[in-house]
Amino acid sequence: GNSVTQMEGPVTLSEEAFLTINCTYTATGYPSLFWYVQYPGEGLQLLLKATKADDKGSNKGFEATYRKETTSFHLEKGSVQVSDSAVYFCAPNTGTASKLTFGTGTRLQVTL
Amino acid sequence: SQTIHQWPATLVQPVGSPLSLECTVEGTSNPNLYWYRQAAGRGLQLLFYSVGIGQISSEVPQNLSASRPQDRQFILSSKKLLLSDSGFYLCAWSPTRDSRYGYTFGSGTRLTVV
Repeated sequence: GNSVTQMEGPVTLSEEAFLTINCTYTATGYPSLFWYVQYPGEGLQLLLKATKADDKGSNKGFEATYRKETTSFHLEKGSVQVSDSAVYFCAPNTGTASKLTFGTGTRLQVTL
Repeated sequence: SQTIHQWPATLVQPVGSPLSLECTVEGTSNPNLYWYRQAAGRGLQLLFYSVGIGQISSEVPQNLSASRPQDRQFILSSKKLLLSDSGFYLCAWSPTRDSRYGYTFGSGTRLTVV
């Protein structure tokens, strides 16, 4: 089955700092890869995705590249804002499964 | 466009009372449907998923149950709540049987059992 390893949080950064949240996975076949974000008190929102090797997903200044050789999908942002404070979840999926596997989530706190 | 509705947003229930949380999806047909629970400060735990009317798969043994009486309706129930049932419950749907396009989540129900 699939599994996901995310870096533990909380990650605390100052505004305008560079962000990396690591995610590695194990999966059979060729999974699609997703990052979700959960703002305080809300449900999860799809942040970005990549469906094949070397694809780069991007949204709201966040990026992640599908690295098949290292089975990784690290999330990056060049300059974080206070409004980016949230919990971020990495999730791989294989084409034959009916459900995503979520990482434990990484809490990001951005301070002024 | 597709939308997902989940209610209520907040619920406080006494131990031993019943529970019914409802989730409906609009603008699509034959979706995969999911119930997740998120305990305080923790990740997501998949409780149930459904690929069609009346088809329910349970991921974790517990005192909760799920039903799908209509194509776009997914209900989470309990006959007698426990303190450990407290948490944030999320419903989600995906458009394909293999979830290749990811999930869309509802806004969640925060359940506190007292």
